[in-house]
Amino acid sequence: EADIYQTPRYLVIGTGKKITLECSQTMGHDKMYWYQQDPGMELHLIHYSYGVNSTEKGDLSSESTVSRIRTEHFPLTLESARPSHTSQYLCASSATGSPTEAFFGQGTRLTVV
Amino acid sequence: QKEVEQNSGPLSVPEGAIASLNCTYSDRVSQSFFWYRQYSGKSPELIMSIYSNGDKEDGRFTAQLNKASQYVSLLIRDSQPSDSATYLCVPVRYSGAGSYQLTFGKGTKLSVIP
Repeated sequence: EADIYQTPRYLVIGTGKKITLECSQTMGHDKMYWYQQDPGMELHLIHYSYGVNSTEKGDLSSESTVSRIRTEHFPLTLESARPSHTSQYLCASSATGSPTEAFFGQGTRLTVV
Repeated sequence: QKEVEQNSGPLSVPEGAIASLNCTYSDRVSQSFFWYRQYSGKSPELIMSIYSNGDKEDGRFTAQLNKASQYVSLLIRDSQPSDSATYLCVPVRYSGAGSYQLTFGKGTKLSVIP
């Protein structure tokens, strides 16, 4: 079982609130990712990081921001939540080097009302 | 053309049958492939990886890769209802500095009928 954790698992929040989705891994992986996935749809990469102080935007434009101050921690922040942000957010990590799998956390299902 | 093409399904097979999941990809640079399984409402998990042409078997699962045809497949023998999930074919491409990029598509939804 992968050691990557996301909190909270479920979040219902009002429009305009600031939220932070937490993601932590204990595997010492350099690379971490945030994906967004709507029900029945494909995963979209919204942010990734190749190490401390490294963050990049992914293929899908997102109003969220991320930070990577510590290797094990990769939080995602929405300054002002909107109903269009309602989705499942999945965090993943992988090691550097040979093609290695991405381990996923259990996800945060966000509902903005 | 999308990087990864899979029939979204649903693919329905009876219990005990062989389920055949197919995938074509457009990026000739991709040299390795992962198959992930995602149960409804859950996160994806890796079930197979294949790096070279030919077949790779692991229990009831066989992955097949044909780089010349840009084709990858996953066979599931003796399908069980617990195999019902979405299967994601994931090309892996080297993106420099020791890093590899994984591309996730929509996947194929498999339903195994008891």
